[in-house]
Amino acid sequence: EVQLVESGGGLVQPGGSLRLSCAASGFTFSSYAMNWVRQAPGKGLEWVSAISGSGGSTYYADSVKGRFTISRDNSKTTLYLQMNSLRAEDTAVYYCAKDPKPMLQGGNWFDPWGQGTLVTVSS
Amino acid sequence: EIVMTQSPATLSVSPGERATLSCRASQSFSSNLAWYQQKPGQAPRLLIYGASTRATGIPARFSGSGSGTEFTLTISSLQSEDFAVYYCQQYNNWPPLTFGGGTKVEIK
Repeated sequence: EVQLVESGGGLVQPGGSLRLSCAASGFTFSSYAMNWVRQAPGKGLEWVSAISGSGGSTYYADSVKGRFTISRDNSKTTLYLQMNSLRAEDTAVYYCAKDPKPMLQGGNWFDPWGQGTLVTVSS
Repeated sequence: EIVMTQSPATLSVSPGERATLSCRASQSFSSNLAWYQQKPGQAPRLLIYGASTRATGIPARFSGSGSGTEFTLTISSLQSEDFAVYYCQQYNNWPPLTFGGGTKVEIK
């Protein structure tokens, strides 16, 4: 069974940094692109970033480009999101989500999703 | 960027009735569209991909259709567990991958 477990969320001040992790199990992690998708309180879904299975290709939404960095450690089957220069509008539940097919660069639908971790940016 | 617009924002339906949810794209594409269901406090769950292919374990009462700029999710006979928020997502042109704003299906 595929499992994705996010961690690392919490309360951070504007301008601060946070690193999210997503521990994956139940599939050949290095074969699949992975994604981060966020959801502000009471709002809809927003794709944030994607990374290819090898980690060699990364993609970002304009809203986070230059501030967030996606990475992965295939030996630890873990996905990361380093978030710097955080703003109030980054407050959201952050989900990691798996690409549905192996050996692709990303840019697909998401299946499955983790349970999410809440990031709150506030002074 | 492809903008996805869902309508209506809220749909009030009685159990056992049919629900029809719409998703419109700002640019035309063939079938690179997915639908998700999200219940309160839970992560989204994939229902449909390729505009009309049900994901593993999804009941047959859920069906997707459409192409071009107009897509539809139909729930043929609403069950109590189907009351939730539904999102469409395009993966035809990226980045970015984009979602619609969601349709909340509530009990009438």
